[in-house]
Amino acid sequence: NAGVTQTPKFQVLKTGQSMTLQCAQDMNHNSMYWYRQDPGMGLRLIYYSASEGTTDKGEVPNGYNVSRLNKREFSLRLESAAPSQTSVYFCASRRDRNQPQHFGDGTRLSIL
Amino acid sequence: SQELEQSPQSLIVQEGKNLTINCTSSKTLYGLYWYKQKYGEGLIFLMMLQKGGEEKSHEKITAKLDEKKQQSSLHITASQPSHAGIYLCGAAPQGGSEKLVFGKGMKLTVNP
Repeated sequence: NAGVTQTPKFQVLKTGQSMTLQCAQDMNHNSMYWYRQDPGMGLRLIYYSASEGTTDKGEVPNGYNVSRLNKREFSLRLESAAPSQTSVYFCASRRDRNQPQHFGDGTRLSIL
Repeated sequence: SQELEQSPQSLIVQEGKNLTINCTSSKTLYGLYWYKQKYGEGLIFLMMLQKGGEEKSHEKITAKLDEKKQQSSLHITASQPSHAGIYLCGAAPQGGSEKLVFGKGMKLTVNP
């Protein structure tokens, strides 16, 4: 099984450009999450989707939008990229609140 | 808001040595998750603890949850170079929460 698949793995953007990070899971999980990981800050939740059709803000949602396209896919969009959004982005999913989250391999995003 | 403090922040040990890392919560723990991350990769789920006093083991890694101390420990017996990486703990800020908060991680180096 592929688990949680993120694309792309690496991306370099210029300030002001837009981009969508893709995430898909093949485990029939209900909940999906987007995190960013920065040195010294740990993992911080950007947005999450508890079920198909719902999305909610996490700890650091400003500058991002999300779409739960269907049960499998959860995308993260940067409308106007800023250097402060340079980070490693992780997507995760889990079946329900009593189960652990499973993570993708991450997208390394640099904004110049 | 809940915060998870991991200690030590980093550790260098000789192969074969035992070690313990801790994760202490600022608030009541409602479940505790341990993950391992290798550089440039995603988070790999290790163990989940849900009840006070619970102890789980997998290969040479044992995790315990002490609800009274609001703390979890992760013990590695006879460390190997394959144990090297960053260990992160995650917890739900309240029972049944969709969100998880994570510690900043503990970097483990195992010298052969």
